Amino acid sequence: QSVLTQPPSASGTPGQRVSISCSGSSSNIGSNTVKWYQQFPGTAPKLLIYLNDQRPSEVPDRFSGSKSGTSASLAISGLQSEDEAGYYCATWDDSLNGFVFGTGTKVTVL
Amino acid sequence: EVQLVESGGGLVQPGGSLRLSCAASRFTFSSYWMHWVRQAPGKGLVWVARINSDGTRTNYADSVKGRFTISRDNAKNTVYLQMSSLRAEDTAVYYCTRGGAPRDFDIWGQGTMVNVSS
Repeated sequence: QSVLTQPPSASGTPGQRVSISCSGSSSNIGSNTVKWYQQFPGTAPKLLIYLNDQRPSEVPDRFSGSKSGTSASLAISGLQSEDEAGYYCATWDDSLNGFVFGTGTKVTVL
Repeated sequence: EVQLVESGGGLVQPGGSLRLSCAASRFTFSSYWMHWVRQAPGKGLVWVARINSDGTRTNYADSVKGRFTISRDNAKNTVYLQMSSLRAEDTAVYYCTRGGAPRDFDIWGQGTMVNVSS
């Protein structure tokens, strides 16, 4: 149902780099900035990335974001066990006149 | 510490109504857009509604338009979500979150559970 598509899962071993994609369209990612959120089970989401690639000061620099055309990506470098969580992209959609979230990606640290 | 605290969730029958509240503290509430986001059990995040800083502008997801109303009382630092004609598919944890570009949704409440069931 979501207009932003993410892979349902991603995984890596400690220290590896993991990348999560977020695919949209010209009415959302193509014309607005992207944010990323991290969510642990049973807790509220936390802002990780805003303005496509900006990190709040409290977010470790191993998290990075990028955007190209109608897609965006979140990369986690130097994967750690505490990074095992759900990750969601989000942006404004000009056609829907509302915010949209991605389908979510569960990251597992092997 | 900047904080949002939701309340008002519970069990309601299909077709019923419920009003959620979200109390803000330790930031200038009247300067920010506020949003409601929900998450059905085991599912992803879904944006529900937003209201601007002075309460004069609102937007809704199509799935709740005409049934839900977002409002705010800046004197009480509180945002509300009035939900009516509730359906089973409205069952979810409802979060309030602070808006305002570019760092939309930078502060979240703990969530309140709404269960629509007979």
